[in-house]
Amino acid sequence: KNQVEQSPQSLIILEGKNCTLQCNYTVSPFSNLRWYKQDTGRGPVSLTIMTFSENTKSNGRYTATLDADTKQSSLHITASQLSDSASYICVVSDRGSTLGRLYFGRGTQLTVWP
Amino acid sequence: EADIYQTPRYLVIGTGKKITLECSQTMGHDKMYWYQQDPGMELHLIHYSYGVNSTEKGDLSSESTVSRIRTEHFPLTLESARPSHTSQYLCASSEGNEKLFFGSGTQLSVL
Repeated sequence: KNQVEQSPQSLIILEGKNCTLQCNYTVSPFSNLRWYKQDTGRGPVSLTIMTFSENTKSNGRYTATLDADTKQSSLHITASQLSDSASYICVVSDRGSTLGRLYFGRGTQLTVWP
Repeated sequence: EADIYQTPRYLVIGTGKKITLECSQTMGHDKMYWYQQDPGMELHLIHYSYGVNSTEKGDLSSESTVSRIRTEHFPLTLESARPSHTSQYLCASSEGNEKLFFGSGTQLSVL
């Protein structure tokens, strides 16, 4: 069964600290993995997209890594800010169709305290 | 950054009412999607469209219907709303298999 599991479910950190969010998946065949940020009451916004051949990608203070062999990804946030408080969603796409079916994780709820 | 718009943002209605959730995008994307999301849960695909006059049901069974008469417009309709339809509805679009652009969502509450 194709699944995407994220951990931790929730995380609280102090402003300025770093943190790492985890994503494990069983989706096969694999096309790409995406990280989205979703503010409360808003739609998700794309942070990074990685294909099979990419093992790291950065977007400002966000750095995503991918290990396609172990089917794991992480999202590292450096020098956290209050505006980083949001849900971070891992999404994996398969190559099963031209549409590329998407499998969503439940997200990690990050809270940054001053 | 995303030119995709959903209205209304919030909607509270009584059981049995017919409602239409609007979604429009100005990016010229062929592919559009409707997702349903409950608090703390993953997004579930309920409808998608490859282009004009193309609509398909998604993974999650839904009593809603959609239409795609114009590229930029992908409305979702519930003929008779029930409390079980209470949820957040997110519209998205994409070009090819690239990243999704999401609207801000419609939070629907059926009393």
